[in-house]
Amino acid sequence: DSGVTQTPKHLITATGQRVTLRCSPRSGDLSVYWYQQSLDQGLQFLIQYYNGEERAKGNILERFSAQQFPDLHSELNLSSLELGDSALYFCASSASTDTQYFGPGTRLTVL
Amino acid sequence: GENVEQHPSTLSVQEGDSAVIKCTYSDSASNYFPWYKQELGKGPQLIIDIRSNVGEKKDQRIAVTLNKTAKHFSLHITETQPEDSAVYFCAASNNRGSTLGRLYFGRGTQLTVWP
Repeated sequence: DSGVTQTPKHLITATGQRVTLRCSPRSGDLSVYWYQQSLDQGLQFLIQYYNGEERAKGNILERFSAQQFPDLHSELNLSSLELGDSALYFCASSASTDTQYFGPGTRLTVL
Repeated sequence: GENVEQHPSTLSVQEGDSAVIKCTYSDSASNYFPWYKQELGKGPQLIIDIRSNVGEKKDQRIAVTLNKTAKHFSLHITETQPEDSAVYFCAASNNRGSTLGRLYFGRGTQLTVWP
């Protein structure tokens, strides 16, 4: 167990809908990272937050947004969902800028 | 940006044999290289990592080597066991500017260890 928790474990929704994925980092970790894992793209970095502020951005779609709250948990919001958004979404946390520990992921299925 | 390539994509070995997975990276500024193991239905689990000021690191049956000149790093698993069967990912990152801390992953290697 990495100490990173993610909810929900599975999410099934329809095209055009909006969902929120939640992540709680390891105790004491200030950085949260979001990654998307799909068969065709592999593991892709989406966005990073450090102590409530956006630190780095990857190829995150404009339909996607994230935030980190004062208690350090983070949420990833996905809107106007398309079939191609179906994937595993992972959150990772770190105390520094390198060693990242991953959560169990949320499997999103868009029908 | 950084590009990490990983080979082979699949690897089958007999229990007790060694397994080697190789990765190359393109950005000479990359200075941190972790390896993750992902079992079915689970998140990536960090198994070993190496920083650019070190050429080799070992942890029991697992070792990683880094060749900065060739921009190449490898994972070595000795005395493989069936429970080593999983997908292994290499990754690279650097502490620079807008890419700070971001991990760039290889495409993964499906390792199967036959009893």
